[in-house]
Amino acid sequence: EVQLVESGGVVVQPGGSLRLSCAASGFTFDDYAMHWVRQAPGKGLEWVSLISWDGGSTYYADSVKGRFTISRDNSKNSLYLQMNSLRAEDTALYYCAKDMGDSSGYYFDYWGQGTLVTVSS
Amino acid sequence: DIQMTQSPSSLSASVGDRVTITCRASQSISSYLNWYQQKPGKAPKLLIYAASSLQSGVPSRFSGSGSGTDFTLTISSLQPEDFATYYCQQSYSTLPITFGQGTRLEIK
Repeated sequence: EVQLVESGGVVVQPGGSLRLSCAASGFTFDDYAMHWVRQAPGKGLEWVSLISWDGGSTYYADSVKGRFTISRDNSKNSLYLQMNSLRAEDTALYYCAKDMGDSSGYYFDYWGQGTLVTVSS
Repeated sequence: DIQMTQSPSSLSASVGDRVTITCRASQSISSYLNWYQQKPGKAPKLLIYAASSLQSGVPSRFSGSGSGTDFTLTISSLQPEDFATYYCQQSYSTLPITFGQGTRLEIK
């Protein structure tokens, strides 16, 4: 059974930093690209970042580019999101999501339950 | 960026009704369109990928159609567990990945 378990979400002050983690199991982690997707309270889904299976390619939404860094450790079956210079508008539930890995582009067949990041003074 | 627009934003329907949700892309995305269901307090769940392919384990009352810029998600006979919010998402080659704003399906 595929499982994605996020952790690291807390309340942080504007300008602060945070590292989210996602522990993956139930599939061959290093075969798949992985994503972070967020959802502000009461709002829709926003894709945040993507990392290729080997970590060699990374992509970001414009809203987080230059502030967030996605990484992975395939030896630990883990995905990370380093979040710097946090803003109030970064407040959201952050989901780790597995890429489907087929020829139909980037989309998500499994999601974690999310970890809540609140940016507030 | 490719903009995705869903209609309606909310919808009231009854158990047993046939329901259609529409998603329109700001440019052609071929069949690179996916649908998700999200229930309150839960993570999204993949329903349909590549516009019309049913994800494993998803009931056959869900179907998707369309190509180019216009797509539809149809639920043939609404069940109580189908009341949720539905999102479309484009997976065309151009990043960023974008979602529609969501359609909230409520019980009438």
